[in-house]
Amino acid sequence: DAGVIQSPRHEVTEMGQEVTLRCKPISGHDYLFWYRQTMMRGLELLIYFNNNVPIDDSGMPEDRFSAKMPNASFSTLKIQPSEPRDSAVYFCASSLGTGKNYEQYFGPGTRLTVT
Amino acid sequence: AQKVTQAQTEISVVEKEDVTLDCVYETRDTTYYLFWYKQPPSGELVFLIRRNSFDEQNEISGRYSWNFQKSTSSFNFTITASQVVDSAVYFCALSHRDKIIFGKGTRLHILP
Repeated sequence: DAGVIQSPRHEVTEMGQEVTLRCKPISGHDYLFWYRQTMMRGLELLIYFNNNVPIDDSGMPEDRFSAKMPNASFSTLKIQPSEPRDSAVYFCASSLGTGKNYEQYFGPGTRLTVT
Repeated sequence: AQKVTQAQTEISVVEKEDVTLDCVYETRDTTYYLFWYKQPPSGELVFLIRRNSFDEQNEISGRYSWNFQKSTSSFNFTITASQVVDSAVYFCALSHRDKIIFGKGTRLHILP
């Protein structure tokens, strides 16, 4: 089975530009999570979905960040406008259930650099 | 508040030595799960193990073993006869409601 798929793997953009990160979860997984990883802050949960519905977006840093899940096999994380401090690795993960019961499987990540 | 502490920021050992990665957690939940993930230099996060708070049996998988002690709120990870391929950042994590809370990670260097 294919794991979680993320694209692009690397993104370099200029400050002020819109950035869209994409994720395809493992088929059959009902939960999808977006994380950001930086050296300073470690792994931070940004938002998660259950059955395509956003459940908790309290980790989304600002209004510049938005996420959607139009169907069970696709999600996007958008940053508009991007800023240098958004530079990080963004991971998407999926699971059969929530953290109480099921492990999350991570995609390879998107390394975002905003100059 | 829920918290995961990995006090060892970085460890270096010579190949074939045994190494233990410490993990201490805090939670007020009566039921919870603990996890370990590995992040090799390539960057992906690889799930290693999930442990239920009701199951304090130690677990062994090849050269990997995990020691869960509820009395000390610890979930330590031991690699026996370490190999260079074990070099990675290892994260301990704790479930809380619908989320997983990650520790800051321990960077492990296995020297040839």
